[in-house]
Amino acid sequence: DAGVTQSPTHLIKTRGQQVTLRCSPKSGHDTVSWYQQALGQGPQFIFQYYEEEERQRGNFPDRFSGHQFPNYSSELNVNALLLGDSALYLCASLPGGSSYNEQFFGPGTRLTVL
Amino acid sequence: GDSVTQMEGPVTLSEEAFLTINCTYTATGYPSLFWYVQYPGEGLQLLLKATKADDKGSNKGFEATYRKETTSFHLEKGSVQVSDSAVYFCALSDFLTSYDKVIFGPGTSLSVIP
Repeated sequence: DAGVTQSPTHLIKTRGQQVTLRCSPKSGHDTVSWYQQALGQGPQFIFQYYEEEERQRGNFPDRFSGHQFPNYSSELNVNALLLGDSALYLCASLPGGSSYNEQFFGPGTRLTVL
Repeated sequence: GDSVTQMEGPVTLSEEAFLTINCTYTATGYPSLFWYVQYPGEGLQLLLKATKADDKGSNKGFEATYRKETTSFHLEKGSVQVSDSAVYFCALSDFLTSYDKVIFGPGTSLSVIP
C-alpha cells in the first residue's frame, strides 16, 4: 500500500503565477482534504472533497480551488500567487461516509513564492 | 468554533526525562482527539488518538487521556529519547459537525539532548 502520495515535492513560483498540486489518496479512501502549513505553525484546513464535490471549506479565498477525479485523486490550484502562499501543502485522505476515522497525511508539497 | 490550545515551546529536555505537553480544546460536539508528530523535513504522522471521554491513547511509550470534564488531552512520556525530537501537534476532529476536518493546535517543538 503506497499510502498518500503528493507531487511535486518542491515547487518555486513567482508572485502572480498559478500552481497546481496533486494528491493520490491511500487505497480504499474516497475523501481528500487539503491543508496549508505555514512555517512554524499548525496546519490550516483549506477544503475537503468527497464524491467529486467540495464538501466543506475553510477560511481561504477563492484563489484556492480544487478538484477531485473519479479515481479519488485530487488537485489543489492556487491562482495569483502571493508571497504569503509560501507554505507546506498537505493532503490527507480517509474513507468517507463514516465517523471517527483516522486521516492519513502525505509528505506534502513545499511551495515557495518569490 | 472548535479550537485547540497547547503549551508554547520550544521544550528542551535531557534524555530519560519525563515529558508533559499540555493540550486543551473547545468543541461544540463530541470530537475525537489526536496527537500528531512531525519530524524534521517530514509530513505528519498520527501518534495516538482517543475517540470518547476517558479513553486513553498510547503508542511508542506516549500516552494521553481524553478528559471531558477538563477538556484536556495532555501528552506524556515517562522517559524521552533523542529520537523523540520533533514537533507535536494536538488536534481534534468531529465527523458529525465538520466531516472529520482536523483542527490543529500551533504545535510544540521538543528537543531532547543526550
